[in-house]
Amino acid sequence: EAQVTQNPRYLITVTGKKLTVTCSQNMNHEYMSWYRQDPGLGLRQIYYSMNVEVTDKGDVPEGYKVSRKEKRNFPLILESPSPNQTSLYFCASSSGTGSMNTEAFFGQGTRLTVV
Amino acid sequence: RKEVEQDPGPFNVPEGATVAFNCTYSNSASQSFFWYRQDCRKEPKLLMSVYSSGNEDGRFTAQLNRASQYISLLIRDSKLSDSATYLCVTGPDYKLSFGAGTTVTVRA
Repeated sequence: EAQVTQNPRYLITVTGKKLTVTCSQNMNHEYMSWYRQDPGLGLRQIYYSMNVEVTDKGDVPEGYKVSRKEKRNFPLILESPSPNQTSLYFCASSSGTGSMNTEAFFGQGTRLTVV
Repeated sequence: RKEVEQDPGPFNVPEGATVAFNCTYSNSASQSFFWYRQDCRKEPKLLMSVYSSGNEDGRFTAQLNRASQYISLLIRDSKLSDSATYLCVTGPDYKLSFGAGTTVTVRA
């Protein structure tokens, strides 16, 4: 089954304790992204990657890191989480063919609480 | 100013009704347009792409007005299962911009 898998689905952590949220896709997609969703703000892009070893900042990258060492994986790293990073996080992938109106597929989300 | 703005609703409609809502986008260079559906903070799923000529998918009709930079969605013969938040999205696919969503509740 074609899918984007995120782990963990739920996480409560303390301020300053480094964490990683994993994302993996099995569709051989070129593009992968991370978004956060907060009430009233919609989804906002954190980082994106257009290929292995190619990453770029989205709209809200502060406090986050990413890496793309393999095509299928795109982990999100919070080196020193703070309470303002409490949010619902989604990983997404798309084929990267360059066609217009290409569908993006989303993981099931990770609900992160930083206390 | 947000790149994509939507009326948050909620739109509360009876089964069988027609409901329509739209969004506006600020980036005139946008080339890709979509409506995604999101249920109860689950992952967004593509409802339909939106093309310049307008397009229909069953009970759903989407329109794009590039001159005025707005996108609309119309749902005919609403079903209970249409209750969801509808996200207006502009592309490209590697860097999507989302509206905050319009909530639709269909009641029996």
